[in-house]
Amino acid sequence: GENVEQHPSTLSVQEGDSAVIKCTYSDSASNYFPWYKQELGKRPQLIIDIRSNVGEKKDQRIAVTLNKTAKHFSLHITETQPEDSAVYFCAAREYSSASKIIFGSGTRLSIRP
Amino acid sequence: EAGVTQFPSHSVIEKGQTVTLRCDPISGHDNLYWYRRVMGKEIKFLLHFVKESKQDESGMPNNRFLAERTGGTYSTLKVQPAELEDSGVYFCASSQGFGGISYNEQFFGPGTRLTVL
Repeated sequence: GENVEQHPSTLSVQEGDSAVIKCTYSDSASNYFPWYKQELGKRPQLIIDIRSNVGEKKDQRIAVTLNKTAKHFSLHITETQPEDSAVYFCAAREYSSASKIIFGSGTRLSIRP
Repeated sequence: EAGVTQFPSHSVIEKGQTVTLRCDPISGHDNLYWYRRVMGKEIKFLLHFVKESKQDESGMPNNRFLAERTGGTYSTLKVQPAELEDSGVYFCASSQGFGGISYNEQFFGPGTRLTVL
């Protein structure tokens, strides 16, 4: 089955700097990679996703990249702000099904003022 | 539109007791999922309902866990008897439709924090 590894487990960056979270997956059948953000005490929410026929996707200060050959995908946050502080989860699943999501172990991102 | 709701938000029970968690998905969502996060680890899949049928229950840890979705609306997850290692946050999620070529975002509930003492 699919296995998703996520690094780092914690990340602290100065406000205004960039943050990068990296994930790898094992199952080549996975072709959909969502990223969820969970703020303290709140529910996980989808912030961006990417499908395997695309190498990069950007939404304002957030971008995701995917290297299908290496089975790597990454989340990039630029010009970080205090409200970016949260736990971020990468995930993988088969795009064309309503199947389960396989999550990484999460990255706790802290933004230093 | 109301999101996924879960009840209770917190539950503290003693080892050996029974607890029932409830999830109300977004209205009209056929797919309902249960996940669990043990402290500091990944959000781990437990099972998936399509309407009232169990589509995938490969993540259920053992037979102390019983999930139901009678009528294809809300779902319950019962743990009986609870053990210390069952502590964690139990999330429910729902998504529209089933399969096809369009993806369906899974919307998460706020979770139930279960503590077994």
